[in-house]
Amino acid sequence: ETGVTQTPRHLVMGMTNKKSLKCEQHLGHNAMYWYKQSAKKPLELMFVYNFKEQTENNSVPSRFSPECPNSSHLFLHLHTLQPEDSALYLCASSTRPGENYGYTFGSGTRLTVV
Amino acid sequence: GNSVTQMEGPVTLSEEAFLTINCTYTATGYPSLFWYVQYPGEGLQLLLKATKADDKGSNKGFEATYRKETTSFHLEKGSVQVSDSAVYFCALVNQAGTALIFGKGTTLSVSS
Repeated sequence: ETGVTQTPRHLVMGMTNKKSLKCEQHLGHNAMYWYKQSAKKPLELMFVYNFKEQTENNSVPSRFSPECPNSSHLFLHLHTLQPEDSALYLCASSTRPGENYGYTFGSGTRLTVV
Repeated sequence: GNSVTQMEGPVTLSEEAFLTINCTYTATGYPSLFWYVQYPGEGLQLLLKATKADDKGSNKGFEATYRKETTSFHLEKGSVQVSDSAVYFCALVNQAGTALIFGKGTTLSVSS
């Protein structure tokens, strides 16, 4: 356990479903991130939150909707996804955005869109 | 823009062989550089880092030296073990950055 917990670990959803991914950390970090990991591609930064405020949206389609109710929790709400959205979604946290001590990652949610 | 380029994998080695995974970067100013490792079914773990030129990061027998003149941060290990089999990611944060930028990852497979 790294200190960043993601649930569920695996998710299969249809293209018309609505689901949410959850990320939780109690490391005292103020910044949280969503990354998408697809085969044969670099990890793609999706969203950055700092003190609950979104500071970066990396041109992510609106079918992905993040929510950060407090510095310890981060959600990714999913609706009307496409099969190409199937990937491993990783949450990470750090004391501040871009800090050079490194980030702590969760184990990820393996999403399959059918 | 900022980017990281890693050597294509997979890298297949026998136990106790020498490992090098190449990483070069493009960034403004003086970025901090990282190597992360991802074991099967898990998230990424920080392996080592270097925050300024000529710094050497090291951990678990792995080393990487921040070379500004060649914009490189190659990962090395003198004697790999089967347990080192994983995917290795090179990454950077630039001085004005907000988040880590990753390379594509290099898969290492070590056989006994």
